[in-house]
Amino acid sequence: GENVEQHPSTLSVQEGDSAVIKCTYSDSASNYFPWYKQELGKGPQLIIDIRSNVGEKKDQRIAVTLNKTAKHFSLHITETQPEDSAVYFCAARFSGTYKYIFGTGTRLKVLA
Amino acid sequence: ETGVTQTPRHLVMGMTNKKSLKCEQHLGHNAMYWYKQSAKKPLELMFVYSLEERVENNSVPSRFSPECPNSSHLFLHLHTLQPEDSALYLCASSKMAQGVYEQYFGPGTRLTVT
Repeated sequence: GENVEQHPSTLSVQEGDSAVIKCTYSDSASNYFPWYKQELGKGPQLIIDIRSNVGEKKDQRIAVTLNKTAKHFSLHITETQPEDSAVYFCAARFSGTYKYIFGTGTRLKVLA
Repeated sequence: ETGVTQTPRHLVMGMTNKKSLKCEQHLGHNAMYWYKQSAKKPLELMFVYSLEERVENNSVPSRFSPECPNSSHLFLHLHTLQPEDSALYLCASSKMAQGVYEQYFGPGTRLTVT
């Protein structure tokens, strides 16, 4: 069935280090892959996204890569800061539908 | 703020109560979504409305009843809920247009069923 797997479930890094979160999707027809950041008491906030016709996208300290062949996509955060601490979710949109399937989330903790 | 508001932010209700959750978007979008977020589980899509018509209904129990009176407002009517329905209910909106996929979420309503 339609599925998005996300790893790791928790991640602790030292301030200034990089963090990488990985997702795998099941439906090769997926065409849009957003990443969300959710802070305590708030809804998910869209931070970056990538479409199936692009391999990499960068926005300041965050970047996303997509490997369509392997059905993998990853979030990279460089020079992490304490305010990056949050839960991060990946998702995949299934082409031709309104359906977005989400991963189970990664709790990132940046240690000062 | 994302331009999507939800009220109330917190709700405690008994299993025999009837209550409604409200969502409003100020982004000019024409699609709205209800999601359920439970601990240790992925976000679960419940309902999707596009141009005020329901286009997705993910086998949600009938004790949850959505309503979309116009493209800016979305309601979730609740009745005879069970304790396992306790969760964060998130509303999202997007613009239904070719090649436009971004969804924006509200802050959610934390629902506790006692």
